[in-house]
Amino acid sequence: LAKTTQPISMDSYEGQEVNITCSHNNIATNDYITWYQQFPSQGPRFIIQGYKTKVTNEVASLFIPADRKSSTLSLPRVSLSDTAVYYCLVGESNYQLIWGAGTKLIIKP
Amino acid sequence: NAGVTQTPKFRVLKTGQSMTLLCAQDMNHEYMYWYRQDPGMGLRLIHYSVGEGTTAKGEVPDGYNVSRLKKQNFLLGLESAAPSQTSVYFCASSWTGGSYEQYFGPGTRLTVT
Repeated sequence: LAKTTQPISMDSYEGQEVNITCSHNNIATNDYITWYQQFPSQGPRFIIQGYKTKVTNEVASLFIPADRKSSTLSLPRVSLSDTAVYYCLVGESNYQLIWGAGTKLIIKP
Repeated sequence: NAGVTQTPKFRVLKTGQSMTLLCAQDMNHEYMYWYRQDPGMGLRLIHYSVGEGTTAKGEVPDGYNVSRLKKQNFLLGLESAAPSQTSVYFCASSWTGGSYEQYFGPGTRLTVT
């Protein structure tokens, strides 16, 4: 099973760009990389998903190098409302996603 | 669309009692999941279903049972609750399995004393 490693916590300031990196050394050829955001007392919410190179949507970008052993979630110009826990997931060939402990991101004014 | 809803939102049980958590989705998703989340940890998959009438075990299935009699509903049962089952339970659904985008409910906070 692929395992992911993320920093336990990060701090940043409003208006800054935040990059959260996830390591997944044993990723399989067909696996996608997915990021979720979770606020206190809520279920996780899908942010972005990618397979290789770069993916961008209205809220984030995902950078995946050629070897796919890591990925970086980039949040442009964060605000206080981006304070949350962010999870990096690597899709398995079965239906069982393995969730890590996530990265607690704190945005300061 | 309500998305994914969970009933109840909170519950306190005594050891040995039983209960059923209800999850409902109105997105016509085939796949449904039950997770538990303990403080400071990620989610752990309890059971999942790939379609009406089918269920399968996840990472931590012991002490739980599930049923998917209707496509839109996924029930999680605790036959004899234990303090170790104190947790927040999340239901999710998706169009397909694996890494496909999952939609989560608001969670049920269960305390077993």
